[in-house]
Amino acid sequence: DAKTTQPPSMDCAEGRAANLPCNHSTISGNEYVYWYRQIHSQGPQYIIHGLKNNETNEMASLIITEDRKSSTLILPHATLRDTAVYYCIVRGTDDMRFGAGTRLTVKP
Amino acid sequence: GAVVSQHPSRVICKSGTSVKIECRSLDFQATTMFWYRQFPKQSLMLMATSNEGSKATYEQGVEKDKFLINHASLTLSTLTVTSAHPEDSSFYICSAMYVSGGRSYNEQFFGPGTRLTVL
Repeated sequence: DAKTTQPPSMDCAEGRAANLPCNHSTISGNEYVYWYRQIHSQGPQYIIHGLKNNETNEMASLIITEDRKSSTLILPHATLRDTAVYYCIVRGTDDMRFGAGTRLTVKP
Repeated sequence: GAVVSQHPSRVICKSGTSVKIECRSLDFQATTMFWYRQFPKQSLMLMATSNEGSKATYEQGVEKDKFLINHASLTLSTLTVTSAHPEDSSFYICSAMYVSGGRSYNEQFFGPGTRLTVL
């Protein structure tokens, strides 16, 4: 029962920023937003997570709107190796439930 | 740190046989492990939650007698697909939860997955 909505696919030019949106309009106050990605035939890889403040790490930035009903994952300089399915997950308990995700294709 | 392994990475078996998949947390203790199944071009579906020393909790629609889960230690959980059939062919992924104090939610780390093909 994924609580998120993501576009099914997106393209991005290599070297440009990739901005992946996620809607989570029913998110509760104590639920975190997590982002994972999955490269073909591999296990999901953790990217970043946040509660209400914007977050940044070595992989990406996470921008969460003030009402927390949506967020955007930003890959600042996309490379071909960033081609993957990106999952936005609203996590209210210990288990993780995946939605359909966004298939990001980075093109040269 | 926080590495989760799965064995085997690929397995092919005949219909009617049983297959065991191991999930290990290599450098941390995981009180809880999760098992997912992923069909081609689909998302991960949570099958069950496995707690060390207790019975697994299965998601609705997942047959507990077909997918046997054992979490015998803090670093090992196994999933046994009993009497496998071609429709059980899938990508099985486990995750292990790292328990750390002072955090709202404990971090999960995923294994690389096991591709099961039932002939």
